[in-house]
Amino acid sequence: AAGVIQSPRHLIKEKRETATLKCYPIPRHDTVYWYQQGPGQDPQFLISFYEKMQSDKGSIPDRFSAQQFSDYHSELNMSSLELGDSALYFCASSQSLGQEETQYFGPGTRLLVL
Amino acid sequence: GDSVTQMEGPVTLSEEAFLTINCTYTATGYPSLFWYVQYPGEGLQLLLKATKADDKGSNKGFEATYRKETTSFHLEKGSVQVSDSAVYFCALSEIYAGNNRKLIWGLGTSLAVNP
Repeated sequence: AAGVIQSPRHLIKEKRETATLKCYPIPRHDTVYWYQQGPGQDPQFLISFYEKMQSDKGSIPDRFSAQQFSDYHSELNMSSLELGDSALYFCASSQSLGQEETQYFGPGTRLLVL
Repeated sequence: GDSVTQMEGPVTLSEEAFLTINCTYTATGYPSLFWYVQYPGEGLQLLLKATKADDKGSNKGFEATYRKETTSFHLEKGSVQVSDSAVYFCALSEIYAGNNRKLIWGLGTSLAVNP
């Protein structure tokens, strides 16, 4: 079965640079979520999109922005990168099914800021 | 607000031992409950879920029952294998503010299984 695809899988950037992470949801899934997971921590919700519109916002820094495109893929844009942005970034997708909804996660993008 | 509390790790077991990882939750509504597993260096995989009280989720020998009376969703496996070594996250999902959903996570429990 098709899964959530994320690219790149690994990314190394310098401080103050920008990074763009991409997420391709499972076909026919209408909702995309972005999470940040620091070492040894639980995932922290950043932002979500439903039918290409932002639906919820979590602890996403103002330096980050995201959008969902007409083909439902999503991009997380990160500017003025800081050392503390080094983390694993997950994208998850789901199909709106009310209480039955389940989020399926991609393999993550590991970002290292030097 | 909603929250998930799971037992602290690390948990170290010998192969074929019985596993229990406790998870309790607080929620204002009727959440769905999940266990996700993260193997070393990998992403989060859905292990099992339950969407209403008394539902039992099961997968790969793991089980968890949604207990509304005790607000619990404990993960169990009768005989663990070395390949079960991973971090296990308990999470709840609830609909709020119209159509928004959010996963509330426990802090994760690291399991190491020795041969």
